[in-house]
Order: sequence, then C-alpha cells, then structure tokens
Amino acid sequence: ETGVTQSPTHLIKTRGQQVTLRCSSQSGHNTVSWYQQALGQGPQFIFQYYREEENGRGNFPPRFSGLQFPNYSSELNVNALELDDSALYLCASGRDAYEQYFGPGTRLTVT
Amino acid sequence: QKEVEQNSGPLSVPEGAIASLNCTYSDRGSQSFFWYRQYSGKSPELIMFIYSNGDKEDGRFTAQLNKASQYVSLLIRDSQPSDSATYLCAVKEVSGGYNKLIFGAGTRLAVHP
Repeated sequence: ETGVTQSPTHLIKTRGQQVTLRCSSQSGHNTVSWYQQALGQGPQFIFQYYREEENGRGNFPPRFSGLQFPNYSSELNVNALELDDSALYLCASGRDAYEQYFGPGTRLTVT
Repeated sequence: QKEVEQNSGPLSVPEGAIASLNCTYSDRGSQSFFWYRQYSGKSPELIMFIYSNGDKEDGRFTAQLNKASQYVSLLIRDSQPSDSATYLCAVKEVSGGYNKLIFGAGTRLAVHP
C-alpha cells in the first residue's frame, strides 16, 4: 500500500466531454505528478505540482490541466476529450519528488 | 528526446531460475534509476531504485547499474509464478526545478511452473 488513492476507478466518457480525476496523497507528500499510460506503453509524464503550483509539464496540450490542494489532494482535468485520451491515468506522489509512489490509477475510456 | 529502451518480451523463465531484465537509456547525465513492477490492470509498484554504479541487492532482487555503458538491469533470483508481470525501467530527469520519470515500454516476464 502506497497510501495514494485515486477516484474513480473506471470512467466512460464521450468524445468532446470534460472529465475530472482525483488523487489523494499521503500526508507529507508535497509533490504530485500525473502520468498517462496507454495500452502496451510505459507511463508518460503529464505534469507535476509542488506546493500547489505546477512546476513542470510534459508534451500534453493545455486542455490537460490540474490543481493541487493544501490537504494533499489533487485533480487532473481534461477538456474536449478525444478518443486517444483513453488510457490509465496515474497519480504519483512523494516527498520533494525524491521517490514517486503510484496510486491505483483511473481507467478512462472515451467513446 | 531522452529515451529509455527495454525489450518488450515476453521473457519466459522456469520457476526457480534467474530472470534478467535489461534497460538502456540515452541521457548520459542521468543519475537515478528505478524499477517498477506492474501486474495486468494494476498500477506500477516501486521495486528498487539505484543511484550508484554497481549492484544493489534487496531480497531476491538485484539492480545493476553501469553508467559508462548507460545500462541498468534487474535480476530476479528464484523466480516465482507470482513474479509474472511487466517490469518498467524508469530514469529520473531533473529539469527546470522539477523531476519527472521517463519510462521504458516495459518487459513482460512470464515465470512458468
């Protein structure tokens, strides 16, 4: 158990819709990162939040956005969903990003 | 574009044998390396990390790092059917004040009785 939780477990959305995924980190974990893992691939870095501010972003468009809250929870928002957004979305948290521990993930299917 | 390469497998080994999983990376300046295990339908689970050249042992697992060759490996001794999973190699990239993990696509390991 990593102490990192994510909700929901599974989600089905229609192309063009918006989705919000949630993550709750362990107490003391001040860094949270979000990754997208397509089938058969390794996780791809979306962005990282440190002390409630985005401090790094991967090659993802602006329709992927996030928030980190003081209570160690965070959100990933995706607007204007596309079919290629279907993937496992992983939240990883840690202390100063020294080690990153993954939550169980949210499986998003876009139809 | 910094890359991490792994053979996709499947790597098939008999129960009790040593499984050897390999990973190469493109950024010579990389300092931190991680191995994650991922069961089908589950999220990655951190097995080991290694920062220094040489071997690091933890139970049945040994990580080996050779920075000159840009090569990191994971050995699993006395392989068990429960070790059957995809093993992801990851390299930490430090950039502009943040850290991110760059993952390989993973090697699927199958341990047969």
